[in-house]
Amino acid sequence: KQEVTQIPAALSVPEGENLVLNCSFTDSAIYNLQWFRQDPGKGLTSLLLIQSSQREQTSGRLNASLDKSSGRSTLYIAASQPGDSATYLCGKGGGSEKLVFGKGTKLTVNP
Amino acid sequence: GAGVSQSPSNKVTEKGKDVELRCDPISGHTALYWYRQSLGQGLEFLIYFQGNSAPDKSGLPSDRFSAERTGGSVSTLTIQRTQQEDSAVYLCASSLDGRAGNEQFFGPGTRLTVL
Repeated sequence: KQEVTQIPAALSVPEGENLVLNCSFTDSAIYNLQWFRQDPGKGLTSLLLIQSSQREQTSGRLNASLDKSSGRSTLYIAASQPGDSATYLCGKGGGSEKLVFGKGTKLTVNP
Repeated sequence: GAGVSQSPSNKVTEKGKDVELRCDPISGHTALYWYRQSLGQGLEFLIYFQGNSAPDKSGLPSDRFSAERTGGSVSTLTIQRTQQEDSAVYLCASSLDGRAGNEQFFGPGTRLTVL
């Protein structure tokens, strides 16, 4: 059974700090890794998609990396802002069409 | 353009009743997915539709759950004889053509509460 783990489950940082969120997976078969944010009571907003042939993707202050050999992806957020507060989820595409998700990291950025 | 839409946004029902949840994917997207998000379980895959192919129903938790997709567009998830453990947020997503590696776009979800 595929498992996706996100550590830490919760993170609280002061505004302006750079931070890293982690996503690890047990099954090395991977087609893509997608990072999402979820605000309370809302759906998922896609942030970045990394294909298995790629090592990283960048969008603004966000950078996501993928290391297939170690079964890990990281989401780097630079110069964090209170508006970044949300739950961040990673979803792994393993060859079937569905995504397998971690349980998320709840991020709080304090002004 | 419009994103994935879902209705209703909230649904409260009594145990034993049937419910229908609706999903309208992004125009032109041929792949449609249903997921369920419940406390402690995270996001779980339920069912996947791709064009006219037979759906992948491997994630449906019981035979009380069914889904259909009419005309390759709108999808309805039906839960019969609802139980309290069915309470969750039901999320729909779509992607361009369902190939592994395509980006999935999610709707706002339907929060189902079974009393």
